Amino acid sequence: IAGITQAPTSQILAAGRRMTLRCTQDMRHNAMYWYRQDLGLGLRLIHYSNTAGTTGKGEVPDGYSVSRANTDDFPLTLASAVPSQTSVYFCASSDGGTGNGNEQFFGPGTRLTVL
Amino acid sequence: GQNIDQPTEMTATEGAIVQINCTYQTSGFNGLFWYQQHAGEAPTFLSYNVLDGLEEKGRFSSFLSRSKGYSYLLLKELQMKDSASYLCAVTDSHYQLIWGAGTKLIIKP
Repeated sequence: IAGITQAPTSQILAAGRRMTLRCTQDMRHNAMYWYRQDLGLGLRLIHYSNTAGTTGKGEVPDGYSVSRANTDDFPLTLASAVPSQTSVYFCASSDGGTGNGNEQFFGPGTRLTVL
Repeated sequence: GQNIDQPTEMTATEGAIVQINCTYQTSGFNGLFWYQQHAGEAPTFLSYNVLDGLEEKGRFSSFLSRSKGYSYLLLKELQMKDSASYLCAVTDSHYQLIWGAGTKLIIKP
């Protein structure tokens, strides 16, 4: 693994189903983030984690949950998917917070369609 | 509310110079980032400004005026591979990034 990976690459999901998007980084970064990107809108933060064992809510957390059991993994779960959750999901990580100018490194994204 | 404004789309000619503007209104300010995103790919870091002035990095430069809530990204000697979206993002008082919708830059031969 080099950098940050996400799985699956894409997924079509029936409404009401549960889905977990996986994210793994090998850079030993403390901070990790989940964003969604929709056409015409900027990236919107769903949840974040400043360090293993802690998580926080971003701008659009409803319908999503996360966990951070270790440094490397940061899965995002949709408990009961709805069509408005159709989006491209990006996981990112950074070595420390963005307040110090630490750049975020992004995974390749997961394209999710909820029907 | 928090708001970041960028032009939706710009067109420029190969070899020319283009300036992409970003204005912001956020709850606090702890730095401004520019990212590049090619279609279908992930964003990648270009620059970071926290103090007023110009930061130069090769063909790309980024300028910040905190008093005006304004930044621009300057791209020189444009190449076809510069065709991409350019995202402006501001770190707010909670140290979270607030993102603009991005500017799609089209380079013509």
